[in-house]
Amino acid sequence: QQPVQSPQAVILREGEDAVINCSSSKALYSVHWYRQKHGEAPVFLMILLKGGEQKGHDKISASFNEKKQQSSLYLTASQLSYSGTYFCGTVTQGGSEKLVFGKGMKLTVNP
Amino acid sequence: NAGVTQTPKFRVLKTGQSMTLLCAQDMNHEYMYWYRQDPGMGLRLIHYSVGEGTTAKGEVPDGYNVSRLKKQNFLLGLESAAPSQTSVYFCASSYVSPGLNTGELFFGEGSRLTVL
Repeated sequence: QQPVQSPQAVILREGEDAVINCSSSKALYSVHWYRQKHGEAPVFLMILLKGGEQKGHDKISASFNEKKQQSSLYLTASQLSYSGTYFCGTVTQGGSEKLVFGKGMKLTVNP
Repeated sequence: NAGVTQTPKFRVLKTGQSMTLLCAQDMNHEYMYWYRQDPGMGLRLIHYSVGEGTTAKGEVPDGYNVSRLKKQNFLLGLESAAPSQTSVYFCASSYVSPGLNTGELFFGEGSRLTVL
Protein backbone atom coordinates (compact mmCIF):
# COMPACT_ATOMS: atom_id res chain seq x y z
CA GLN A 1 0.00 0.00 0.00
CA GLN A 2 1.40 3.33 -1.07
CA PRO A 3 2.29 5.88 1.62
CA VAL A 4 0.36 9.14 1.41
CA GLN A 5 2.27 12.32 0.65
CA SER A 6 1.08 15.86 1.22
CA PRO A 7 0.88 18.41 -0.19
CA GLN A 8 0.71 17.28 -3.81
CA ALA A 9 2.39 20.37 -5.18
CA VAL A 10 4.03 23.54 -3.88
CA ILE A 11 5.31 26.68 -5.58
CA LEU A 12 7.93 28.67 -3.71
CA ARG A 13 10.12 31.66 -4.25
CA GLU A 14 13.84 31.24 -3.80
CA GLY A 15 14.74 31.42 -0.12
CA GLU A 16 11.39 30.17 1.21
CA ASP A 17 10.93 26.98 3.22
CA ALA A 18 8.86 23.88 2.51
CA VAL A 19 7.75 20.79 4.40
CA ILE A 20 6.74 17.54 2.72
CA ASN A 21 4.83 14.97 4.73
CA CYS A 22 4.63 11.22 4.31
CA SER A 23 2.35 8.92 6.27
CA SER A 24 1.57 5.23 6.28
CA SER A 25 -1.24 3.10 7.64
CA LYS A 26 1.23 0.34 8.45
CA ALA A 27 4.03 0.09 10.99
CA LEU A 28 7.22 1.29 9.36
CA TYR A 29 10.74 -0.04 9.43
CA SER A 30 12.37 2.74 7.47
CA VAL A 31 11.59 5.75 5.29
CA HIS A 32 13.50 6.82 2.18
CA TRP A 33 13.43 10.21 0.45
CA TYR A 34 14.30 10.73 -3.24
CA ARG A 35 14.18 13.69 -5.62
CA GLN A 36 13.45 13.40 -9.33
CA LYS A 37 14.09 16.13 -11.85
CA HIS A 38 11.97 16.19 -14.99
CA GLY A 39 13.05 13.52 -17.46
CA GLU A 40 15.62 12.05 -15.09
CA ALA A 41 15.88 9.15 -12.69
CA PRO A 42 15.09 9.55 -8.98
CA VAL A 43 18.11 10.38 -6.84
CA PHE A 44 18.56 9.30 -3.24
CA LEU A 45 18.43 11.95 -0.50
CA MET A 46 18.35 10.06 2.79
CA ILE A 47 17.13 7.06 4.78
CA LEU A 48 15.60 7.22 8.24
CA LEU A 49 15.28 4.14 10.41
CA LYS A 50 12.76 3.37 13.14
CA GLY A 51 13.81 4.84 16.43
CA GLY A 52 12.61 8.37 15.74
CA GLU A 53 15.78 9.73 14.27
CA GLN A 54 16.41 12.92 12.39
CA LYS A 55 18.85 13.47 9.59
CA GLY A 56 20.05 16.31 7.48
CA HIS A 57 22.68 17.62 5.19
CA ASP A 58 23.09 21.10 3.85
CA LYS A 59 19.61 22.69 4.07
CA ILE A 60 17.59 19.51 3.66
CA SER A 61 16.63 17.53 6.73
CA ALA A 62 14.05 14.94 7.70
CA SER A 63 12.39 13.41 10.72
CA PHE A 64 10.71 10.08 11.33
CA ASN A 65 8.05 9.56 13.97
CA GLU A 66 7.80 5.81 14.30
CA LYS A 67 4.78 5.90 16.60
CA LYS A 68 2.74 8.04 14.21
CA GLN A 69 4.12 6.22 11.16
CA GLN A 70 4.99 9.58 9.65
CA SER A 71 8.01 11.28 8.17
CA SER A 72 8.61 14.84 7.10
CA LEU A 73 11.20 16.36 4.77
CA TYR A 74 12.25 19.93 5.50
CA LEU A 75 13.68 22.18 2.80
CA THR A 76 15.01 25.45 4.18
CA ALA A 77 16.05 28.52 2.23
CA SER A 78 15.08 26.80 -1.00
CA GLN A 79 17.25 27.13 -4.08
CA LEU A 80 16.29 26.89 -7.75
CA SER A 81 18.02 23.50 -7.84
CA TYR A 82 15.52 22.13 -5.31
CA SER A 83 12.81 22.06 -7.97
CA GLY A 84 11.59 18.58 -8.81
CA THR A 85 9.31 15.85 -7.55
CA TYR A 86 10.00 14.45 -4.10
CA PHE A 87 9.10 10.88 -3.30
CA CYS A 88 8.98 9.15 0.02
CA GLY A 89 9.37 5.40 0.07
CA THR A 90 8.50 3.17 2.98
CA VAL A 91 9.60 -0.23 4.19
CA THR A 92 7.01 -1.82 6.44
CA GLN A 93 7.75 -4.14 9.29
CA GLY A 94 7.57 -7.65 7.95
CA GLY A 95 8.28 -6.52 4.38
CA SER A 96 11.87 -5.43 4.62
CA GLU A 97 12.77 -6.15 1.01
CA LYS A 98 10.10 -3.97 -0.54
CA LEU A 99 10.37 -0.21 -0.92
CA VAL A 100 6.97 1.25 -1.80
CA PHE A 101 6.80 4.85 -2.97
CA GLY A 102 4.15 7.51 -2.56
CA LYS A 103 2.71 9.55 -5.42
CA GLY A 104 5.20 12.34 -4.98
CA MET A 105 5.15 16.07 -4.29
CA LYS A 106 6.03 18.46 -7.10
CA LEU A 107 8.09 21.41 -5.91
CA THR A 108 8.66 24.45 -8.10
CA VAL A 109 11.11 27.08 -6.92
CA ASN A 110 10.94 30.38 -8.79
CA PRO A 111 13.46 33.23 -8.73
CA ASN B 1 31.48 2.62 -13.80
CA ALA B 2 28.12 2.37 -15.57
CA GLY B 3 25.88 1.81 -12.49
CA VAL B 4 22.40 0.68 -13.56
CA THR B 5 21.80 0.40 -17.30
CA GLN B 6 18.41 -0.17 -18.92
CA THR B 7 17.81 -1.28 -22.50
CA PRO B 8 16.04 -0.26 -24.60
CA LYS B 9 15.50 3.40 -23.71
CA PHE B 10 12.44 3.73 -25.95
CA ARG B 11 10.11 1.22 -27.53
CA VAL B 12 6.79 1.30 -29.35
CA LEU B 13 4.71 -1.87 -29.39
CA LYS B 14 1.41 -2.93 -30.85
CA THR B 15 -1.22 -4.47 -28.59
CA GLY B 16 -0.53 -8.16 -28.14
CA GLN B 17 3.17 -8.02 -28.94
CA SER B 18 5.75 -9.21 -26.45
CA MET B 19 9.00 -7.67 -25.35
CA THR B 20 11.69 -7.81 -22.68
CA LEU B 21 13.32 -4.95 -20.81
CA LEU B 22 16.84 -5.59 -19.59
CA CYS B 23 18.34 -4.10 -16.46
CA ALA B 24 22.04 -4.58 -15.82
CA GLN B 25 24.03 -3.39 -12.81
CA ASP B 26 27.78 -3.56 -12.28
CA MET B 27 27.82 -2.78 -8.54
CA ASN B 28 27.43 -6.35 -7.27
CA HIS B 29 24.07 -5.46 -5.73
CA GLU B 30 21.88 -8.20 -4.31
CA TYR B 31 18.52 -6.44 -4.54
CA MET B 32 16.91 -5.35 -7.79
CA TYR B 33 13.54 -3.75 -8.52
CA TRP B 34 11.27 -2.86 -11.39
CA TYR B 35 8.96 0.17 -11.01
CA ARG B 36 6.58 1.84 -13.40
CA GLN B 37 5.89 5.56 -13.33
CA ASP B 38 2.66 7.06 -14.59
CA PRO B 39 1.48 10.68 -14.25
CA GLY B 40 -0.01 11.28 -10.82
CA MET B 41 0.65 7.72 -9.66
CA GLY B 42 4.22 7.95 -8.44
CA LEU B 43 6.52 4.95 -8.66
CA ARG B 44 4.73 1.64 -8.36
CA LEU B 45 6.61 -1.56 -7.62
CA ILE B 46 6.06 -4.31 -10.20
CA HIS B 47 8.45 -7.10 -9.16
CA TYR B 48 11.64 -7.36 -7.20
CA SER B 49 14.48 -9.78 -6.46
CA VAL B 50 16.54 -10.26 -3.32
CA GLY B 51 19.26 -12.26 -5.02
CA GLU B 52 20.23 -14.39 -7.99
CA GLY B 53 17.51 -16.91 -8.82
CA THR B 54 14.83 -15.19 -6.70
CA THR B 55 11.85 -13.07 -7.71
CA ALA B 56 8.81 -11.75 -5.86
CA LYS B 57 5.66 -9.80 -6.69
CA GLY B 58 5.33 -6.14 -5.92
CA GLU B 59 2.22 -3.98 -5.84
CA VAL B 60 1.24 -4.17 -9.54
CA PRO B 61 2.60 -7.45 -10.96
CA ASP B 62 -0.25 -8.46 -13.29
CA GLY B 63 0.75 -8.68 -16.95
CA TYR B 64 4.47 -8.83 -16.22
CA ASN B 65 7.02 -11.58 -15.62
CA VAL B 66 10.60 -11.33 -14.41
CA SER B 67 13.73 -13.41 -14.22
CA ARG B 68 17.05 -13.08 -12.38
CA LEU B 69 19.25 -15.81 -13.81
CA LYS B 70 22.43 -13.80 -13.25
CA LYS B 71 23.11 -11.57 -10.28
CA GLN B 72 23.82 -8.54 -12.43
CA ASN B 73 20.74 -8.78 -14.68
CA PHE B 74 17.02 -8.41 -13.98
CA LEU B 75 14.68 -8.91 -16.92
CA LEU B 76 11.11 -7.61 -17.14
CA GLY B 77 8.86 -9.29 -19.69
CA LEU B 78 5.54 -8.35 -21.20
CA GLU B 79 4.00 -11.42 -22.82
CA SER B 80 1.03 -9.67 -24.45
CA ALA B 81 1.34 -5.91 -24.26
CA ALA B 82 -1.74 -3.79 -23.53
CA PRO B 83 -2.23 0.00 -23.86
CA SER B 84 -2.52 0.15 -20.05
CA GLN B 85 1.14 -0.84 -19.90
CA THR B 86 2.22 2.37 -21.60
CA SER B 87 4.53 3.86 -19.02
CA VAL B 88 8.07 4.78 -18.04
CA TYR B 89 9.79 1.81 -16.43
CA PHE B 90 12.59 2.25 -13.94
CA CYS B 91 14.95 -0.40 -12.71
CA ALA B 92 16.74 0.08 -9.40
CA SER B 93 19.24 -1.85 -7.33
CA SER B 94 20.60 -1.81 -3.80
CA TYR B 95 23.48 -3.55 -2.08
CA VAL B 96 21.50 -4.46 1.01
CA SER B 97 17.88 -4.46 2.09
CA PRO B 98 16.17 -1.02 1.85
CA GLY B 99 15.29 -1.52 5.52
CA LEU B 100 18.92 -0.95 6.45
CA ASN B 101 20.80 2.29 6.84
CA THR B 102 22.83 1.74 3.68
CA GLY B 103 19.96 0.35 1.61
CA GLU B 104 19.66 3.26 -0.80
CA LEU B 105 18.36 2.50 -4.28
CA PHE B 106 20.30 3.38 -7.41
CA PHE B 107 18.07 3.94 -10.41
CA GLY B 108 18.57 3.43 -14.11
CA GLU B 109 17.67 6.19 -16.56
CA GLY B 110 14.30 4.68 -17.41
CA SER B 111 12.69 3.01 -20.41
CA ARG B 112 9.74 4.67 -22.11
CA LEU B 113 7.30 2.13 -23.49
CA THR B 114 4.31 2.99 -25.66
CA VAL B 115 1.70 0.36 -26.52
CA LEU B 116 -0.61 1.26 -29.40
